[in-house]
Amino acid sequence: AQTVTQSQPEMSVQEAETVTLSCTYDTSESDYYLFWYKQPPSRQMILVIRQEAYKQQNATENRFSVNFQKAAKSFSLKISDSQLGDAAMYFCAYRSPHYQLIWGAGTKLIIKP
Amino acid sequence: EAQVTQNPRYLITVTGKKLTVTCSQNMNHEYMSWYRQDPGLGLRQIYYSMNVEVTDKGDVPEGYKVSRKEKRNFPLILESPSPNQTSLYFCASGRDTGTGYTGELFFGEGSRLTVL
Repeated sequence: AQTVTQSQPEMSVQEAETVTLSCTYDTSESDYYLFWYKQPPSRQMILVIRQEAYKQQNATENRFSVNFQKAAKSFSLKISDSQLGDAAMYFCAYRSPHYQLIWGAGTKLIIKP
Repeated sequence: EAQVTQNPRYLITVTGKKLTVTCSQNMNHEYMSWYRQDPGLGLRQIYYSMNVEVTDKGDVPEGYKVSRKEKRNFPLILESPSPNQTSLYFCASGRDTGTGYTGELFFGEGSRLTVL
């Protein structure tokens, strides 16, 4: 069965510094998508970044980037120059070839001013 | 504005009283889905729909029903709610490509349901 594991229930970082959130997944498929979603206190889930498994290049969106290690089945999110508005729950998700999304349990990110 | 709208946002009800949570999207997405979110468990899929008139069970479908009679709407029905269905519910629609939906989801703002 496909699973997604986020081993860090909570992380904290000083404002303006860099933080990395970890995610590992288990699959026997070769073609899939991976995502990081953000859920701020307002509750609405927002897509942060997306990675297609067939692409070797790591995805980047402004201050957010990923380290995608396909062989290790690892998909970490790096947030550079952390801002107070980055405080949220972050969820890693895997999309199977059968169109189901498998979610991690989430990591709560705290930004210290 | 592209959005997913779900109602009600908050609801307190009693065991056994049927309720419906509506969901509507204006992005012409084929894919729609319902999730529940509980502390420490992340999101769990209840039902999903690949297109009109096609729905399928997710991971936790027991106690729920859905219907997809038109593309934009995907209501979640609790025929006889029980306290273990107290949760935060999210509706989402999926961005499509020519070969199917990518997994990129647009979410509603969530519906907090309490069953007493």
